[in-house]
Amino acid sequence: DAGVIQSPRHEVTEMGQEVTLRCKPISGHNSLFWYRQTMMRGLELLIYFNNNVPIDDSGMPEDRFSAKMPNASFSTLKIQPSEPRDSAVYFCASSFFPAEQYFGPGTRLTVT
Amino acid sequence: KNQVEQSPQSLIILEGKNCTLQCNYTVSPFSNLRWYKQDTGRGPVSLTIMTFSENTKSNGRYTATLDADTKQSSLHITASQLSDSASYICVVSARPSDYKLSFGAGTTVTVRA
Repeated sequence: DAGVIQSPRHEVTEMGQEVTLRCKPISGHNSLFWYRQTMMRGLELLIYFNNNVPIDDSGMPEDRFSAKMPNASFSTLKIQPSEPRDSAVYFCASSFFPAEQYFGPGTRLTVT
Repeated sequence: KNQVEQSPQSLIILEGKNCTLQCNYTVSPFSNLRWYKQDTGRGPVSLTIMTFSENTKSNGRYTATLDADTKQSSLHITASQLSDSASYICVVSARPSDYKLSFGAGTTVTVRA
């Protein structure tokens, strides 16, 4: 099993640009999570999908952030427009809820 | 205030030595506690999971303990290796059905030759 796949692994963009992060969960898992990790705040849950449906997006910081899961094998997290304070590592995780969450390798986002 | 506090924030040990990481939590109710290892540039990987009734669980050179009465857990690393250099994160779940986890800030362990 390839595990959770995320792309790109690194993204550097200028303030104001649109950023799209991608995630392919583990096949057969019914839940998908997007997290953000910073030194100051640690790991924070942004949004949780169950069976492709957004269940809890209360962690999305503001309207500039949006996430979609068009099918069971793909999800995107979009930031538009990006700001320097969005710089962080973004993780996607999947699980066969309520079992263990498996994390992807993360996308390191730098907004200049 | 974070419901999961870890200490120390960081530590440096010599290869072959042992170390113990601490995790105190206030999450209530309590379902389970996991220790995750996060290598630099990688996602967290689960090392152990303990439920209310479990006191000790081992995974190779990693041994986790849990005292649900005092709401404390520890992770002991025996005979450390260079590959143990990582961040170790304590994660608590309040209910089996909870998707929201409470994460500690992590302890960064550096093992030196």
